Amino acid sequence: DAGVTQSPTHLIKTRGQHVTLRCSPISGHKSVSWYQQVLGQGPQFIFQYYEKEERGRGNFPDRFSARQFPNYSSELNVNALLLGDSALYLCASRKGLSGVETQYFGPGTRLLVL
Amino acid sequence: QKEVEQNSGPLSVPEGAIASLNCTYSDRGSQSFFWYRQYSGKSPELIMFIYSNGDKEDGRFTAQLNKASQYVSLLIRDSQPSDSATYLCAGPYTGGGNKLTFGTGTQLKVEL
Repeated sequence: DAGVTQSPTHLIKTRGQHVTLRCSPISGHKSVSWYQQVLGQGPQFIFQYYEKEERGRGNFPDRFSARQFPNYSSELNVNALLLGDSALYLCASRKGLSGVETQYFGPGTRLLVL
Repeated sequence: QKEVEQNSGPLSVPEGAIASLNCTYSDRGSQSFFWYRQYSGKSPELIMFIYSNGDKEDGRFTAQLNKASQYVSLLIRDSQPSDSATYLCAGPYTGGGNKLTFGTGTQLKVEL
């Protein structure tokens, strides 16, 4: 079975631009979460979606938004990019919402904002 | 206080030794914890999860959870150079639900 896939793998943008990152979860997984990982830090939770509904949001500004589609794939959108948005953006999928379920990460999208 | 704390390292151990990685957490109600391994430039990869007090073993890896003392540890026996990576401890997100909150990670170096 294919794992979590993300696109694009790398992206270079300039300040003020907009970016859309995409994620396809593991087949059968209905929950998708997004994390931001800056260099030298652990991943920071941004959003969680389950069955197309937002189930949680981390401490990120409104410039960050996301959605989940009927096929459970997801998009993360970031508006008005800042230099500090440069990071590895990780998508993680799991079957449901149980606290003991394992979360599997995709390869990530590395975003560089110049 | 951070929700999940780890010593950033680096932790250096000789090949064949036991590497001990530790993590403390602040939310006494946290039930489950995960250890992820992350190679440089790659995404985190699940190593172990534990949700009950005591030890859980899987091959060369043993996870330990002590809820009374609020710490989680990961032991790697017979450490190999390929174990050199950053190890991330993750617990439940304090905001509720089943999102994860991660520590900053401990860099492990296994030396020949």
